[in-house]
This record gives sequence, C-alpha cells and structure tokens, in this order.
Amino acid sequence: KQEVTQIPAALSVPEGENLVLNCSFTDSAIYNLQWFRQDPGKGLTSLLLIQSSQREQTSGRLNASLDKSSGRSTLYIAASQPGDSATYLCAVRGGSTLGRLYFGRGTQLTVWP
Amino acid sequence: GAGVSQSPSNKVTEKGKDVELRCDPISGHTALYWYRQSLGQGLEFLIYFQGNSAPDKSGLPSDRFSAERTGGSVSTLTIQRTQQEDSAVYLCASSSKTTGTNQPQHFGDGTRLSIL
Repeated sequence: KQEVTQIPAALSVPEGENLVLNCSFTDSAIYNLQWFRQDPGKGLTSLLLIQSSQREQTSGRLNASLDKSSGRSTLYIAASQPGDSATYLCAVRGGSTLGRLYFGRGTQLTVWP
Repeated sequence: GAGVSQSPSNKVTEKGKDVELRCDPISGHTALYWYRQSLGQGLEFLIYFQGNSAPDKSGLPSDRFSAERTGGSVSTLTIQRTQQEDSAVYLCASSSKTTGTNQPQHFGDGTRLSIL
C-alpha cells in the first residue's frame, strides 16, 4: 500500500524566508503528484501537479520537484509571506487507472510578519 | 458551476440517525471522488466514480456507508445509523479525466459532520 510522509509536520518562519517542504512516498509507480494548500475550515486548493515524466513545475513563487525513482518531492516557497500560512498537503496518484490520491498528513506552515 | 459545491457545509446529528451529503462537481468533470478528513487520521479515500459507475469503493469503512451518482453529475454519500467515529469533514473532488491525461483533482470546501 502506498504511504506518503511529509516532513516537517509544522514549520514557523519569519516573513521573507525561502523554505522547503518535503514529501516522500513508498511506491514509485505513480502517475502524478499534486501539492495542495488547505486553509482552516476550507477545502483543498490545488497548487501544482507534476506528471510522473516531469522533474519539476513552477507557479509564481512556488516550485515543486519530483524524483520518482527515490520517491521524493519537495515544494520550494520563495520569499514567504504571512498569506502563505496554511497546511500544505502532498498527494500521489497511484499506479493504477482508478485515480485515487494517497495523502500525507501535511505540513502546517506559519509565516509571521 | 465554477467549482465543486458541497452541501450542507455543516451537519450536526444524533447518533443512530441517517445523513446524506451532497456533491456537485465541476460541470463536465466525469470523475468524482469522496474523501474523509478526521482529526489525527489525515485524508482517507472513500469512493471513486467514473460517470455513474463506481469502479473503486474500497475505501468505504463499513456497509453503513454508500454513495451514488446520477446523470454523471451530482453525487450523494449516505451514512446510515451514524456513530460518533463518523464525525469528520467529508470532502468531494472532481477531475475532467482519470485515464490518459492526468488531470488535477479539484476539491470542494467539504461537509463538517458532527455526531452527538
């Protein structure tokens, strides 16, 4: 069974710092990996989707990388802002056609002014 | 609609009652998913629909849980004889396609279910 782990579980940084969130998964036979953001009391907002054949994706201040063979992904956030405070979730779509996502427990990020 | 819509946003009910949760996916999305988010459990997959059929129901925790989808659009998740351990946020997601091109899943804001 696919297992997804996110490190650290929580992170608190001052505004302006560059930071890295880590995600690892046990089964490298994935179709894609998706990073989400979740604000308190809200659903999930998709940030980046990396296909299994890709190495990285970028959107604004966010950059996500994927090393499928080693079962790892990182989410890099540049010049962090207080508005980035949220829980960040990593999810992989398993190696089948059935589409379910396997989620990590998330990294709770606090960016203070 | 513009996004995935779920109703109700909050539901409080007594143990033993039945509840129905509703999900309206993004228009044109053929794939629909239900997940559950509990304190200390993370996000768990419940069931996946492609059109009106459910090729993967393996995440449903017991036979008290069922789901259906009609017209390839709206889905309802029904929990019968609710128990306190059913308290969680139930999230619905949809995507435009699940085979071939790998499209992202888009989530609704969820239904927060509390069993007294």
